[in-house]
Order: sequence, then structure tokens, then C-alpha cells
Amino acid sequence: QSGLTQPPSASGTPGQRVTISCAGGSSNIGSNYVFWYQQVPGTAPKLLIDKNSQRLSGVPDRFSGSKSGTSASLAISGLRSEDEAAYYCATWDDSLTGLIFGGGTKLTVL
Amino acid sequence: EVQLVESGGGLVQPGGSLRLSCAASGFTFSYYWMTWVRQTPGKGLEWVANIKQDGSEKYYVDSVKGRFTVSRDNAKDLLFLQMNSLRAEDTAVYYCARIIHYYEGLDYWGLGTLVTVSS
Repeated sequence: QSGLTQPPSASGTPGQRVTISCAGGSSNIGSNYVFWYQQVPGTAPKLLIDKNSQRLSGVPDRFSGSKSGTSASLAISGLRSEDEAAYYCATWDDSLTGLIFGGGTKLTVL
Repeated sequence: EVQLVESGGGLVQPGGSLRLSCAASGFTFSYYWMTWVRQTPGKGLEWVANIKQDGSEKYYVDSVKGRFTVSRDNAKDLLFLQMNSLRAEDTAVYYCARIIHYYEGLDYWGLGTLVTVSS
């Protein structure tokens, strides 16, 4: 049961826009919603984006999600130091009847 | 306020057993699918098991099938994970989480409980 593919790292300077990609397949991203989680070290993951592009209450509109075919992406605009964290994409996999996660992308704000 | 609090983690020898609990509060527990997700120290997230609102459907990742059992007590707002035949590779922080609706995201997570399998 392989997971989703994310770049291991990403970086940007304050104010920049960064994009994190997430690649999957037809049985997961291709047929189900994608979610994005933010995890600061030592804390539990926090759901940022539900149903491909819906921001959870309280999530700044600097965060946006999109999906196309078997891939998805998370964009963060107006990068801030507090955005430094690990970001995970996730979706349901029809063959598993369970969730699969990406390997996570560690975002560094330079 | 929605809260999920895990307990029951600890150090166990290979082949041993542990039972994790997750106490839910602040919402109607019986209305939601629930899930267990684990995270290996310093590494990524792995889904472990799901359970339907009434416990009638349960799903597991292949690596724990036959060894782990998820269950719930809706009268006491508790979620459980019985882990048997533990292996070193089961060492992780185990989180319980609430599923918004089945096939949607996990909107609330506990703080996690650490399970260490080592001799």
C-alpha cells in the first residue's frame, strides 16, 4: 500500500508564494477528496483544507487547495514565519477503504 | 469544546500487547466514524484503522490486520485499539481522530500516545 508522493522539502522567503504538490492514482486522488494537514513539531496534525479546496474555519485565506485528475496542490501565499511546519496531503483509497497520506513536505521560511 | 484524549501507551516487548483508549468529549461521539493514525518518530503519518458509528464496520491497514482490533463504547464515549503481537515497527505515536463524514477529512485529533516496542 504505497502512499501519496510529495516533495520532502520546500522553502520560501516571507511574502512569497509556495506550492506543494501531491501525486496519487486513480483509486485515491482520482476518485476521492484531498485533504491537507499542517503539523508543527511536537503537536498533532491540524486539518487545513477539506474536500480539495475548502478551508477549515479559522484557516487564513493565504492557504488554498486544488485538485486535478490524480494530483493535488497546496498553495501558501504571503508566506509568514509561522507557516514553517510539515504539510501532509491525504485522501481515501478505494482499495484500502482507508486513508493514505503523503510523506510530508517540510516547509522552511528563510 | 471537542476533545480527544488518548491513553494506554508505553514500553512493551516484542510479541506483547497493549490497549489504547481515546476519551471523547464535547460532541456526540456516536454520530461519527472514528480512526486511529500513527506516526513513527521523525517520520510521516500512517492510517491504522477506522470504525463506523455503531461499530458494525471496521477497516485496517494490511500491516496490522489480524493483530490489532478497533472497538468503541458509545455509552462511555470511548474508542479503543487492542494491539497484540506487537513488533518493533509498530513503535509510533498513536493518534485518535474524528472523521467529519466518511470519506472526508479528520477534523479533530488527540495529542497522541507513544507506543514503544523494544526488548
